[in-house]
Amino acid sequence: QQQVKQSPQSLIVQKGGISIINCAYENTAFDYFPWYQQFPGKGPALLIAIRPDVSEKKEGRFTISFNKSAKQFSLHIMDSQPGDSATYFCAASRDNYGQNFVFGPGTRLSVLP
Amino acid sequence: ETGVTQSPTHLIKTRGQQVTLRCSSQSGHNTVSWYQQALGQGPQFIFQYYREEENGRGNFPPRFSGLQFPNYSSELNVNALELDDSALYLCASRRDREDTQYFGPGTRLTVL
Repeated sequence: QQQVKQSPQSLIVQKGGISIINCAYENTAFDYFPWYQQFPGKGPALLIAIRPDVSEKKEGRFTISFNKSAKQFSLHIMDSQPGDSATYFCAASRDNYGQNFVFGPGTRLSVLP
Repeated sequence: ETGVTQSPTHLIKTRGQQVTLRCSSQSGHNTVSWYQQALGQGPQFIFQYYREEENGRGNFPPRFSGLQFPNYSSELNVNALELDDSALYLCASRRDREDTQYFGPGTRLTVL
């Protein structure tokens, strides 16, 4: 129940294209869903996050879509750029109980110039 | 940069040894968490400290232990190192009652 599934494992997109990464969770107690971006040799950096009371959140080229009934959420990267090439992790949390973030296994995104 | 620093950057140990990793939290952050990230995988939650006490733990054995100090810096100690302990160890800090946590760059531990 603590698992967060993520797909695809790897993704190749042309510059200017749309990158879509999907995640699914089981534990309905999760109430915070962030996406992290990680470059090689660096720690994860928060990209965007959403709570279950909204179905979509947009920040610049990044959009989270959230489907509470299906227990799924996705990251859309519009106008993908070579600089977006990194590993992306979705996560889920029901914090304030010492139960910290559960991360998905990651998606390696490559944006071709 | 997140304001979270970790030391050392890299570390090589042999099986059976003990290691201490250090983390300095972002100013004003009283909660720190430690994660283990094996190569090609997502971070796995080890434990969390709040006001110098452990208040959450993942599925890691007792040989993984920690400390948080009054200035909110923290340590991760691992005893009796095993080969599978080779990983990137990340700490993340946040303010109490806030969801957003900020990760440090990590310490790459290699156990030979």
